[in-house]
Amino acid sequence: DQQVKQNSPSLSVQEGRISILNCDYTNSMFDYFLWYKKYPAEGPTFLISISSIKDKNEDGRFTVFLNKSAKHLSLHIVPSQPGDSAVYFCAASARNTGNQFYFGTGTSLTVIP
Amino acid sequence: DSGVTQTPKHLITATGQRVTLRCSPRSGDLSVYWYQQSLDQGLQFLIQYYNGEERAKGNILERFSAQQFPDLHSELNLSSLELGDSALYFCASSAASGALNTGELFFGEGSRLTVL
Repeated sequence: DQQVKQNSPSLSVQEGRISILNCDYTNSMFDYFLWYKKYPAEGPTFLISISSIKDKNEDGRFTVFLNKSAKHLSLHIVPSQPGDSAVYFCAASARNTGNQFYFGTGTSLTVIP
Repeated sequence: DSGVTQTPKHLITATGQRVTLRCSPRSGDLSVYWYQQSLDQGLQFLIQYYNGEERAKGNILERFSAQQFPDLHSELNLSSLELGDSALYFCASSAASGALNTGELFFGEGSRLTVL
């Protein structure tokens, strides 16, 4: 049972434009959400996180938005750069149930120069 | 470089065999997580250890087992291998466990297992 879903396997965006990656979850107990970025032949690396007490968290060009009622979060990258081309994984956890992290299937982002 | 080391990077073996994947966490990290990534699948959580003790278990098959040693390195043992076990196996570490964990897992580069 996939509790965290990324329904878009791939996304292509022009350099300088906004990239929006989406993620949906089913477990209402999740209270902490993260985005990881993965380059080929490397392990995923932490990008940005958000707690359920917030609806937005910003770090430079990266902003994560959380809509708890819709059980949806999104990652905005503005402006997109070719170096952002990677696979992005959304992850969620419920801290009061052992902090196990559930990952989505990933979205492959290609930023076209 | 995340500081997490996984060996071997690649492994090819036959069905029915047994393999051991090794992980050295970042210096000072007490938690080790194992994840499996099959083709077109997300990262499936297998198991977590914290300071030598099993802390959480995910969708880990009975043919698979893991342990964390006193020096904090961890091993994932996969036995009676099947074709469907072919996947990328990631190890990740973090400093803490439970509610103290910020969620920033540091991943190794993975061990790619191919079962023929």
